Amino acid sequence: GAGVSQSPSNKVTEKGKDVELRCDPISGHTALYWYRQRLGQGLEFLIYFQGNSAPDKSGLPSDRFSAERTGESVSTLTIQRTQQEDSAVYLCASSFLQGANEKLFFGSGTQLSVL
Amino acid sequence: KNQVEQSPQSLIILEGKNCTLQCNYTVSPFSNLRWYKQDTGRGPVSLTIMTFSENTKSNGRYTATLDADTKQSSLHITASQLSDSASYICVVRDPSGGSYIPTFGRGTSLIVHP
Repeated sequence: GAGVSQSPSNKVTEKGKDVELRCDPISGHTALYWYRQRLGQGLEFLIYFQGNSAPDKSGLPSDRFSAERTGESVSTLTIQRTQQEDSAVYLCASSFLQGANEKLFFGSGTQLSVL
Repeated sequence: KNQVEQSPQSLIILEGKNCTLQCNYTVSPFSNLRWYKQDTGRGPVSLTIMTFSENTKSNGRYTATLDADTKQSSLHITASQLSDSASYICVVRDPSGGSYIPTFGRGTSLIVHP
């Protein structure tokens, strides 16, 4: 596609349920990032994938959060046993790593609301 | 810990006026600094990139400056338009240790009133 696609655009769930968020990066982009953005706050790094290397999971807030990516394609972010504090916009970004001048291309995000 | 601080947190101006947004960072070593614009309900979009050797760069009505000695950057918006209402995010990259995870500021929320 022309840009980074995320689905669903909105997700409302009950506390304790699991949710799965999807990100389709731009074709050919080797790097993929997940960020969380709470209302009125900045972007909080969650996880980073680069090609077939081991992902950088240093930003995941708890073991309820996990993410997968197969090769250089689709990524899914899974949140288990959701809590109200998980309510936020989850943004995905991809890039074709060109050294240090990498530019991130973001999707429009998934708005997650945990009731 | 690498930090990126932006000011002001929010700003309201009248259409047609100019404004300047500030970004101070402690990221070291420094690779580059980007300004992103984030419209409501959308993901951030890159406006401009500043490398270590650059002092100023323009993109239409947007002009970014960089002082690598004082670790400060600014984004100047000229003749503001209603469509400039957005959050402006400063992002600094530190390539040390082979990690390319950028450091994001919390953004400045700009509202342009007619």
